[in-house]
Amino acid sequence: KQEVTQIPAALSVPEGENLVLNCSFTDSAIYNLQWFRQDPGKGLTSLLLIQSSQREQTSGRLNASLDKSSGRSTLYIAASQPGDSATYLCAVPTGGGNKLTFGTGTQLKVEL
Amino acid sequence: DTEVTQTPKHLVMGMTNKKSLKCEQHMGHRAMYWYKQKAKKPPELMFVYSYEKLSINESVPSRFSPECPNSSLLNLHLHALQPEDSALYLCASSQEFEGWNEQYFGPGTRLTVT
Repeated sequence: KQEVTQIPAALSVPEGENLVLNCSFTDSAIYNLQWFRQDPGKGLTSLLLIQSSQREQTSGRLNASLDKSSGRSTLYIAASQPGDSATYLCAVPTGGGNKLTFGTGTQLKVEL
Repeated sequence: DTEVTQTPKHLVMGMTNKKSLKCEQHMGHRAMYWYKQKAKKPPELMFVYSYEKLSINESVPSRFSPECPNSSLLNLHLHALQPEDSALYLCASSQEFEGWNEQYFGPGTRLTVT
């Protein structure tokens, strides 16, 4: 059974800092990995999707990497801003088809 | 346009009420999903529709009844809910279920059962 964990569970940083969020998965036979952002009480916003054949994907200040062999993905946020404060979730399709297993989430707070 | 819309935003219902949640997308996606999310937990899959047919039911109680009237619409009918069913209900869609495509989520419906 695929298990996805995220460390740390919560993170507080000063504005301007570069930071890394971690996602680990137990079954490396994945087709892709998706990173989401969720603001309190809101839906999920898709940030990046990395295909299993890719190592990195970039969007603006966000860079996601994928290492299937070690079962890890990282989300790098450059020059963090208070508007980046949210919960970040990673997810992988599991068991055939697009049935997502979500990680436990990292709650990020960027302070002025 | 990568928008999934959900109505209503908030819903309060008694345990004897019948209500429905609605989800709509116009991206031409053929897979649609219902998730339930409790506070400080990740979303949990409830149902998947693929080409307007129910593809997955994650052993959800029958008081939740999904419906996919056409390729753009997804409903979740609620009846005789329990207070523990209070949660954020999220709808999502993707191009295909078998294609492992990017999933797009709606803003959710905050449901409170009294």
